[in-house]
Amino acid sequence: DTEVTQTPKHLVMGMTNKKSLKCEQHMGHRAMYWYKQKAKKPPELMFVYSYEKLSINESVPSRFSPECPNSSLLNLHLHALQPEDSALYLCASSQVANTIYFGEGSWLTVV
Amino acid sequence: GDSVTQMEGPVTLSEEAFLTINCTYTATGYPSLFWYVQYPGEGLQLLLKATKADDKGSNKGFEATYRKETTSFHLEKGSVQVSDSAVYFCALSENSGYSTLTFGKGTMLLVSP
Repeated sequence: DTEVTQTPKHLVMGMTNKKSLKCEQHMGHRAMYWYKQKAKKPPELMFVYSYEKLSINESVPSRFSPECPNSSLLNLHLHALQPEDSALYLCASSQVANTIYFGEGSWLTVV
Repeated sequence: GDSVTQMEGPVTLSEEAFLTINCTYTATGYPSLFWYVQYPGEGLQLLLKATKADDKGSNKGFEATYRKETTSFHLEKGSVQVSDSAVYFCALSENSGYSTLTFGKGTMLLVSP
């Protein structure tokens, strides 16, 4: 069973709000990812955690703050976002150097 | 660096037509190749994969063969259904280090009854 669960499905936030996106997997995967996808574009990698340590940060602005509390959970903390940050945020997981499985995504609208 | 090129869409077909979506890649090593599908309003689902040359990935009637000599991984289906309407992404991952994905731009498929 390949399942990555993301909450919330939809989020609307103001530019001064603080919110979080959450992701959970129970497949024993040791790598977890955040991707951002704009309309009609492929996903863009934001962060990679491997064995609960941040391994890749693709020069993402500090208003996005990832956190990996344990091997099953991945959060993305959001603060002082801009309207152009509105997008679909996809969490994914994999065994290290193996096939990546995506969640259903969280639709974020910044107003 | 690595790159993936897919045919431009949208591809518009009638139900039961034959589907081909072309995908070619450039990679420094020996990558694994993937097709992901994204239905409207949803996340990405792994459709099929191939990890070495001449491997054929298949799932739900879709097939793709890893062709090293032509650096291609074309997606095919013999008879499409309306429910196949979606965006299809070809992607590669180098088999070393972290398995980050290099995506093509995506091809939208529209199937009419």
